[in-house]
Amino acid sequence: DAGVIQSPRHEVTEMGQEVTLRCKPISGHNSLFWYRQTMMRGLELLIYFNNNVPIDDSGMPEDRFSAKMPNASFSTLKIQPSEPRDSAVYFCASSLQGRVEKLFFGSGTQLSVL
Amino acid sequence: AQKITQTQPGMFVQEKEAVTLDCTYDTSDQSYGLFWYKQPSSGEMIFLIYQGSYDEQNATEGRYSLNFQKARKSANLVISASQLGDSAMYFCAMRGRLYNTDKLIFGTGTRLQVFP
Repeated sequence: DAGVIQSPRHEVTEMGQEVTLRCKPISGHNSLFWYRQTMMRGLELLIYFNNNVPIDDSGMPEDRFSAKMPNASFSTLKIQPSEPRDSAVYFCASSLQGRVEKLFFGSGTQLSVL
Repeated sequence: AQKITQTQPGMFVQEKEAVTLDCTYDTSDQSYGLFWYKQPSSGEMIFLIYQGSYDEQNATEGRYSLNFQKARKSANLVISASQLGDSAMYFCAMRGRLYNTDKLIFGTGTRLQVFP
């Protein structure tokens, strides 16, 4: 069974460009999480969805960040415009709702904004 | 507020020895969960072990065990018989149920180096 799939694995872009990160959760999972990992701040939750509905987006840094989940098998995290301080590893994770002890992470997207 | 503290930025252990990675937490929730994840140099986050706050026995998963001391608010990870492949970053995390949220709060991590 495939795990959480993220794309791209690496992204290098220039400041001001739009960046879109993609995630396919594990089939049957109805909770999806976007985390960001930096050296300075560690792992922090950006937003999570239950049944495609955003539940908590308090971790989204600012209006430049937006996340969508148009269906149960796909989510995007968009940064527009991107800035160098957005450089980080972005993880997507999924679980069954309320069963976060079985939370599975994707391999992450390494984003570098020059 | 909820908080996870990992005070050991780095630990060294010799192969086949046991090692304890420290984790303390702060929460006002009565019901919560504690997790440990491993992050090797390849970057993925690997779930290791989970402990519920009402679980009376310490969780164990193979060579991993969680030393849960509720009164002290600590949830240390014990790795027995360390292997070279255990070299990685280890993160402690907590989920609280106060607001019925599935949000995990992570600590800053401990880098474990296993040497021959």
